[in-house]
Amino acid sequence: GAGVSQSPRYKVTKRGQDVALRCDPISGHVSLYWYRQALGQGPEFLTYFNYEAQQDKSGLPNDRFSAERPEGSISTLTIQRTEQRDSAMYRCASSLTSGSYSNQPQHFGDGTRLSIL
Amino acid sequence: AQKVTQAQTEISVVEKEDVTLDCVYETRDTTYYLFWYKQPPSGELVFLIRRNSFDEQNEISGRYSWNFQKSTSSFNFTITASQVVDSAVYFCALSVMGTSYGKLTFGQGTILTVHP
Repeated sequence: GAGVSQSPRYKVTKRGQDVALRCDPISGHVSLYWYRQALGQGPEFLTYFNYEAQQDKSGLPNDRFSAERPEGSISTLTIQRTEQRDSAMYRCASSLTSGSYSNQPQHFGDGTRLSIL
Repeated sequence: AQKVTQAQTEISVVEKEDVTLDCVYETRDTTYYLFWYKQPPSGELVFLIRRNSFDEQNEISGRYSWNFQKSTSSFNFTITASQVVDSAVYFCALSVMGTSYGKLTFGQGTILTVHP
């Protein structure tokens, strides 16, 4: 399995709980992105890392959402005090490089389906 | 801001028919990339193609072909002799150079159903 790996595949939790979603990118991929996909919609950008640096978090809906990638590989998206409206598919993608000079294709993981009761 | 519009919400065809999925994009940037992704019923997102804004040559890959026309800001996708396995949701996406670091702006997707 050399693809992007996300865990858990499914997460059901009660409103108000914190959740942490994990993404393990393709080995050697510098760039990592998080997206959220509502049912019947295309993915929407949340945040982006280049190595361990979070370069863009403009898509995070509010301050309950945060992400980190401390060693430039695995990333965690954390949602605090979850609300029902947070229910969605959360997708991680990685690419070899990114940025101003090369928009390499992003390869997506299978996603984490998050359901808030 | 960038925008991608896939006006066809759902398309239904019979096997062996040709089908074209439309994609219209908006951006003020002169350098950008366009993508198509496939999301089969199993749910994963599969990369199909990337084109940059300076390359308007059409591309063919087996039964798949893409028509990029800057004059109409369109990047349409045609499947020739469709098969049941082509049934999926297809997304068109756009990324621009510069400060957006390659983040993708997706269209809403087109659900393609190919009947045997």
